[in-house]
Amino acid sequence: GAVVSQHPSWVICKSGTSVKIECRSLDFQATTMFWYRQFPKQSLMLMATSNEGSKATYEQGVEKDKFLINHASLTLSTLTVTSAHPEDSSFYICSAREYRVMNTEAFFGQGTRLTVV
Amino acid sequence: GESVGLHLPTLSVQEGDNSIINCAYSNSASDYFIWYKQESGKGPQFIIDIRSNMDKRQGQRVTVLLNKTVKHLSLQIAATQPGDSAVYFCAENRGDYKLSFGAGTTVTVRA
Repeated sequence: GAVVSQHPSWVICKSGTSVKIECRSLDFQATTMFWYRQFPKQSLMLMATSNEGSKATYEQGVEKDKFLINHASLTLSTLTVTSAHPEDSSFYICSAREYRVMNTEAFFGQGTRLTVV
Repeated sequence: GESVGLHLPTLSVQEGDNSIINCAYSNSASDYFIWYKQESGKGPQFIIDIRSNMDKRQGQRVTVLLNKTVKHLSLQIAATQPGDSAVYFCAENRGDYKLSFGAGTTVTVRA
């Protein structure tokens, strides 16, 4: 159990285009999902917290108009990188916590490798 | 086994030896800590966690030690195997399970 799946696993897009990344909790419901970004050989940095049915909260320095987050259901959150540029190339990872269950860990997806050319 | 007194970005260990990976955290109010293993191109994989009301917790081949006095966390891996080669991150709960990750230690197991 507790599987979080991201789609796609990797994507290449042209500069100026937008790309959507999906994060799904496959066997549990997640009120809260988190989006992280990881540059090569660096640690994970929290970008935003996605809350089902409400607006996402963004970390300081993360542009909310560039990284659009939608958490429309208890099993799906999406991150859209708008007007992507080469510096947005990174590994994007989501995690999800189970709804209404206290003191549980967050489960991570397998990540999405974004390359902007 | 090898003992690492301070956080080092890399650790090379002989297969079968014990590994110790260290991590310093910043917030004395943090109440929950997790160790993750990340293999190349994959998301973090949960290894073990510990709450601030504990000093030690053991799992299968792994032990986490928490020293709140000096804000230090360590992960011990017993009888290190080739499959343990990966990057290991400690993470602290900033609140509401928003995690702040450490810099990571790359563990390489020598055959």
